Amino acid sequence: SYELTQVPSVSVSPGQTASITCSGDALAKHYGHWYQQKPGQAPVLLIKQDNERPSGIPERFSGSSSGTIMTLTISGVQAEDEADYYCQSAGSGGIYSVVFGGGTKLTVL
Amino acid sequence: EVQLVESGGALVQPGRSLRLSCAASGFTFHDYTMHWVRQAPGKGLEWVSGISWNSGSIDQADSVKGRFTISRDNAKNALYLQMNSLRPEDTALYYCAKSYYRGNSYYFDYWGQGTLVTVSS
Repeated sequence: SYELTQVPSVSVSPGQTASITCSGDALAKHYGHWYQQKPGQAPVLLIKQDNERPSGIPERFSGSSSGTIMTLTISGVQAEDEADYYCQSAGSGGIYSVVFGGGTKLTVL
Repeated sequence: EVQLVESGGALVQPGRSLRLSCAASGFTFHDYTMHWVRQAPGKGLEWVSGISWNSGSIDQADSVKGRFTISRDNAKNALYLQMNSLRPEDTALYYCAKSYYRGNSYYFDYWGQGTLVTVSS
């Protein structure tokens, strides 16, 4: 079955660039997507289809994908970007099956 | 404005049943595949189940197969999750999510605020 792997935590100073990676076989065949979740809140779609920003998402968030790895890049990190970030792609079950990565906690120092 | 409002979460004993509901508004409900996603306390997101626009196709995670059933009522703009034989490991915040299909995978463009299910004796 498909699995997506993320590093548990990333730390970055304000104004610097943070990169969060997600790896898994699913990404070689299917689009990947990213979500941001702040404490006590529901997840928010951050990047869809590898690299597209939904309306309202700041330009400092960008995504890329190559082979079995996709990357979320946050340029000019702000304190408000401290959150959990999850990648997601198609699962290995039926057509509606979905798989999430384990999540990466971004700490802004 | 898209709104998804979950309800039905409760404290329930192991082995018992519970039915979650999600009231949808602000979009054409019957046009979209809908899903349930859960999050155990302090843990990551776990997809639970998805249902097609006309209830013709359903998928479930292996962890809930045979115990949980997703359904929908397009006339009422409502999504449901019938949860039977509940286990302590089912304890989680359950989110209703609207999905969008593009290319070759679904993503979730709107989420509810979740309803908490606690399974404990």
